[in-house]
Parts: sequence; C-alpha cells; structure tokens
Amino acid sequence: AQSVAQPEDQVNVAEGNPLTVKCTYSVSGNPYLFWYVQYPNRGLQFLLKYITGDNLVKGSYGFEAEFNKSQTSFHLKKPSALVSDSALYFCAVRPFSGTYKYIFGTGTRLKVLA
Amino acid sequence: EPEVTQTPSHQVTQMGQEVILRCVPISNHLYFYWYRQILGQKVEFLVSFYNNEISEKSEIFDDQFSVERPDGSNFTLKIRSTKLEDSAMYFCASSNPALSGGRTDTQYFGPGTRLTVL
Repeated sequence: AQSVAQPEDQVNVAEGNPLTVKCTYSVSGNPYLFWYVQYPNRGLQFLLKYITGDNLVKGSYGFEAEFNKSQTSFHLKKPSALVSDSALYFCAVRPFSGTYKYIFGTGTRLKVLA
Repeated sequence: EPEVTQTPSHQVTQMGQEVILRCVPISNHLYFYWYRQILGQKVEFLVSFYNNEISEKSEIFDDQFSVERPDGSNFTLKIRSTKLEDSAMYFCASSNPALSGGRTDTQYFGPGTRLTVL
C-alpha cells in the first residue's frame, strides 16, 4: 500500500539551531513530493516540492528538502530555526502514475524555543 | 496572491442533517479537490473534480457525499444524512498543471471548514 511516514510527532529545536523534519515514503515508481505547513486556524500552505533534478530543493521561508531515492526519504531542513517556524508540517506524495491525489503523512509539530 | 477560500469556517449540525460546504478555488485553476482531517489524524483525500465531473474518489467518498460546481466560481461538497464520524476539518484545494509546465501540479489549500456533528 502507498504510504507516507513522519516518524516524529513533535520536534523541538532551539531558535538559531538547524532543524530537520523527517519524511519517508512508500510508493511505486518516481513520485512527486511536497511539504506543507499548517499554522493554527489556517489552511495548508505550500512550502516546496520535488519533481525531478537536483536532490536538494529550496522553498519558501528558507526551507529546503533533500530527496534521497535509495532511502525513500524527503526530509525538510532549515539551517537556522525561527520561533515563527513553530507550526504543523505535513509531507505529501503524489504517486507518479495516473492520479492527482496526494497522500499525506500524519504531520510533525515543530516547536522552536526562544 | 490568489487564495482558495472556504465557507463557513465552522459548521455545527445535528446527526442526520445535510450540510453543504463551499469553496471558491483560485480563478484560473482547473482541478478541484476535497480532503478531510479528522482531529489528530492525517489529511485524507476524498475526491478530485475536473471538467465538471469526478475524476477520482477514495473509498471514503460514498453515496453520502457529492460534489458540484454550480457556477463558474464555487465548488461544493454536500454531505447527506451526516453521521458523528463525519466530524472533521474539510479542506478544499485547487490546482492547474499547466502552470507547472504540465509536469505536475501544486495543490493550493483553503483554510478549511470545521464540521461538528452532534
């Protein structure tokens, strides 16, 4: 079955430190990969996506993500966390073949401590 | 920047009643979607809609649910005879693959409608 895993329910990091939010996926073929962020009482905001090409993709607000095909991972990173980055982060996969639907992970709550 | 909007932000209904959740997708988008998120759980795909018909639906999207694009701007999700387990946040999304060079689309999500069934 196709699935996305975010193994950490919550990640705590000190402001100014680098952050990583993990995502692994299990789909056949070459999927498209996305990260979204959800602030309280807001919808899902697009951060970045990987389609093909460079394994490191850069997105909004200084975030980047590294695609690793052998490990089927797409971890979200930021070199220096801000308190305002505190939110719920979702990894999503669109399987390459024949569908536009996204499969989401369970979400990781990021807490950046001042 | 254009946004997907949804109304109402919160809907409370009695079990067995019908509800209509409304969405206004981004104006030049062609694909429309509904997802739901039960409290504390992951976001789940319900249905996609293109060219005035359902293009894909999940096993969740049974005869209780229907979607419609009644005019050129709105996209609605109707839930007939609501059940307690329909309580969730419902997200509308839209996309236009042509804007990404046809390779893939980025779905843009609205703020959601929280549905509470009592």
